[in-house]
Amino acid sequence: DIQMTQSPSSLSASVGDRVTITCRASQSISSYLNWYQQKPGKAPKVLIYAASSLQSGVPSRFSGSGSGTDFTLTISSLQPEDFATYYCQQTYTIPWTFGQGTKVEIK
Amino acid sequence: EVQLVESGGGVVRPGESLRLSCAASGFTFDNYAMSWVRQAPGKGLEWVSGINWNGVSTGYADSVKGRFTISRDNAKNSLYLQMNSLRVEDTALYHCARDRAGSYSDYWGQGTLVTVSS
Repeated sequence: DIQMTQSPSSLSASVGDRVTITCRASQSISSYLNWYQQKPGKAPKVLIYAASSLQSGVPSRFSGSGSGTDFTLTISSLQPEDFATYYCQQTYTIPWTFGQGTKVEIK
Repeated sequence: EVQLVESGGGVVRPGESLRLSCAASGFTFDNYAMSWVRQAPGKGLEWVSGINWNGVSTGYADSVKGRFTISRDNAKNSLYLQMNSLRVEDTALYHCARDRAGSYSDYWGQGTLVTVSS
C-alpha cells in the first residue's frame, strides 16, 4: 500500500498567516492527490483535487501543488474558519490512503 | 441537493455482523462510483472500500479484505457495506461518499457509528 506522510502533524498560526502543509507519498502517485478539510463533528470537505485543482466553492486562498511524491497545500491568508484538520489522500491506486492529518490551531 | 444518509450502525460484540446502508438522493446515483470511509474515535480518516458505478469493480483496504463486502442497488439509490467478523478495531464512524471522476470524494454523509465491544 502507498503510505502518505503529512508534516507537520499540528501547527499554531494566527489569522492572516500564510500556512503550508506538506504531504509525501511512499511512491510516485502522479497527480492523484486530494486535500480535505475536516472540522470537529463534521464530515470531511474536499478542497483540492488532482493536486492543484480547486473544488468549486472553495475560497481561492487555498491552493495545491506538486506531483510525483511531494505535495503542498497552502493557505495564503489564514481565516478564522480555516482552523481545522487537513488530510491528504492518494487515489493513484487501491487501496486509497490518507495522510495522518494536520491540525491547524489558533496561536 | 445531494444527500447521503447512512444507517445501520450500532453496538455489536466481536465476531458479529452488521450491514450498513447509505441512501443517496439529489443526483443520478448510477453515474457515480461510491466509497466507504471510516474514522475511529479521535483518529484520522481511513478509506475502507469503493465500488464503481455498476458494482462490477470493487476494492478494499487490507484491514477489511475478506471480512467486508461493498455492494449497491442502483434501482434503490442505495450503497451497502456488509461487515462480518467484526473486531474491536472496527469501531468507528462510517461515512459513505460520492466519488467524482473516480478519483476524489466530493460529497459525504454524516456517518453512522459502529461500536464493537465485548
